[in-house]
Amino acid sequence: DGGITQSPKYLFRKEGQNVTLSCEQNLNHDAMYWYRQDPGQGLRLIYYSQIVNDFQKGDIAEGYSVSREKKESFPLTVTSAQKNPTAFYLCASSPPGELFFFGQGTRLTVV
Amino acid sequence: SQQGEEDPQALSIQEGENATMNCSYKTSINNLQWYRQNSGRGLVHLILIRSNEREKHSGRLRVTLDTSKKSSSLLITASRAADTASYFCATMIYNQGGKLIFGQGTELSVKP
Repeated sequence: DGGITQSPKYLFRKEGQNVTLSCEQNLNHDAMYWYRQDPGQGLRLIYYSQIVNDFQKGDIAEGYSVSREKKESFPLTVTSAQKNPTAFYLCASSPPGELFFFGQGTRLTVV
Repeated sequence: SQQGEEDPQALSIQEGENATMNCSYKTSINNLQWYRQNSGRGLVHLILIRSNEREKHSGRLRVTLDTSKKSSSLLITASRAADTASYFCATMIYNQGGKLIFGQGTELSVKP
């Protein structure tokens, strides 16, 4: 069953903690993306990767980090430097220049 | 930076009516895509229209693109209560590494 899987579905972070969101795809796509969505808003691009071992900052990369060691995996770390991390995080993958496939999202809350 | 602006922000119609959502953008695009999001879920892709295309259909969905006006519209015909969701347009810009830039979305409510 092909697709893109995000975990966990819900995540709670204490002040000053780093947390890592998982994103795995078995669609054999080279490109992967992380977006942030705030309530009632559109999606804003955090980081993207066009190929293994390479990634670029999006519009709101500050306070986040990523790695792309495997084609299938693109984990996102929300660091303590991100002052307002409570949001819905969406991962996507795509073939070049085509429609995106999204995961079901991770809802991160600071407690 | 938000490239797309959608109009209206919210739309409420009765089942069976048509729903039209509009999207405007600022810079030249490679393609424009429409997505649907049910509350609290991920996005589902609907249609991709390339810059050299003017109209595409998929089932009850019709998308138009006017590159001279930098605008697109999504028409859902004979709407159903199950069409209730948020709809987003997203643009893929030339020489921008294949990333998509999303608009703010239109929240559609279809009443039975």
